[in-house]
Amino acid sequence: GAVVSQHPSWVICKSGTSVKIECRSLDFQATTMFWYRQFPKQSLMLMATSNEGSKATYEQGVEKDKFLINHASLTLSTLTVTSAHPEDSSFYICSARGHDYEQYFGPGTRLTVT
Amino acid sequence: DAKTTQPPSMDCAEGRAANLPCNHSTISGNEYVYWYRQIHSQGPQYIIHGLKNNETNEMASLIITEDRKSSTLILPHATLRDTAVYYCIVRPMNYGGATNKLIFGTGTLLAVQP
Repeated sequence: GAVVSQHPSWVICKSGTSVKIECRSLDFQATTMFWYRQFPKQSLMLMATSNEGSKATYEQGVEKDKFLINHASLTLSTLTVTSAHPEDSSFYICSARGHDYEQYFGPGTRLTVT
Repeated sequence: DAKTTQPPSMDCAEGRAANLPCNHSTISGNEYVYWYRQIHSQGPQYIIHGLKNNETNEMASLIITEDRKSSTLILPHATLRDTAVYYCIVRPMNYGGATNKLIFGTGTLLAVQP
């Protein structure tokens, strides 16, 4: 149980375009989901916390207009990178909080902006 | 900021026990110690957690000092598949509260050698 999926697993896009990444909790409902970003050889950095039906809470230094988060249902949160640029290339990882209050992680999405 | 200190890297011979230390000298009474690992280009994988007692599961053992200022994760018989970055994280036990989120430090890169 407690499986989290992400789609796509990798994506290449051109500079200036927007990219949407989906995070789904497959076998449990998650009122809270988290989005992390990881650059090569670095640790995971928490970007934002999303709660179902309400606005996401962004960590300091993360541009909310750049990284749009929607958590419209108890099993789906989406992260949209708007007007992507090469410096947005990164590994994006989501996690979902289950009823046991533990965080379960997805496999990650590799974004490359050319 | 992460509240833990770990060595950046360690080596271990295959088949031997891997002992990964973590310092969390500022841990407070309502914080758990969690361990996750991340194999290259994958999402983090939960290993074990504890409050003040030693814990053991099918993956590892967690030894927490009596003053709770440090802990050691023990992989009893390391294999090549255990090569990963291991993260020690302290997390408050306030369940659904806003501070109940995993903040990753730099972790320890464990390299298991054949």
